Amino acid sequence: DADVTQTPRNRITKTGKRIMLECSQTKGHDRMYWYRQDPGLGLRLIYYSFDVKDINKGEISDGYSVSRQAQAKFSLSLESAIPNQTALYFCATSDLLGEVQGGYEQYFGPGTRLTVT
Amino acid sequence: SQQGEEDPQALSIQEGENATMNCSYKTSINNLQWYRQNSGRGLVHLILIRSNEREKHSGRLRVTLDTSKKSSSLLITASRAADTASYFCATYDNNNDMRFGAGTRLTVKP
Repeated sequence: DADVTQTPRNRITKTGKRIMLECSQTKGHDRMYWYRQDPGLGLRLIYYSFDVKDINKGEISDGYSVSRQAQAKFSLSLESAIPNQTALYFCATSDLLGEVQGGYEQYFGPGTRLTVT
Repeated sequence: SQQGEEDPQALSIQEGENATMNCSYKTSINNLQWYRQNSGRGLVHLILIRSNEREKHSGRLRVTLDTSKKSSSLLITASRAADTASYFCATYDNNNDMRFGAGTRLTVKP
């Protein structure tokens, strides 16, 4: 079974609709992230959470909100979807390696392809 | 804004050849990581190099880091068709900020 799962995998929605993307992980990691990927722009961070009571805005948080319901669950909401939010959305987790200079690797889910018409 | 910028944007080689991708970044970093993404799928971590390291190897992968030039390179030796994917560098700084570049699309022809 996959360590990081995302639902739904594909979603088509209309402008103005509220939509929630869900992420679950079985890795036991404290840190979770939401990214969006657009062609030619790589990944951009939307929100991240270092534990259940911690929520932080990323580079492009406008138009999005998140909820960390439990250590294993981190959901992303689009309160009123707009066409330029059409993108591939990824959830990721990480755990601090704890070495002197820190650093960590991220584990990604399979992605959710969202289309807003 | 992106931190890492990969070069080239696209690379096409024959199986058996080596592939080299470069990444430049702008600010001081704690570490730099390379990830691979098969089309439309999640990213997979390949290798991490810390700011006090200059070179690291993992199987057919060799990563170098030059902090004075704020650049890194990823070398894949003896490439295979299965190496066809997009490769991203990601920088992690002391503010816990991780930024991905736009990626290099590698095509390895059999």
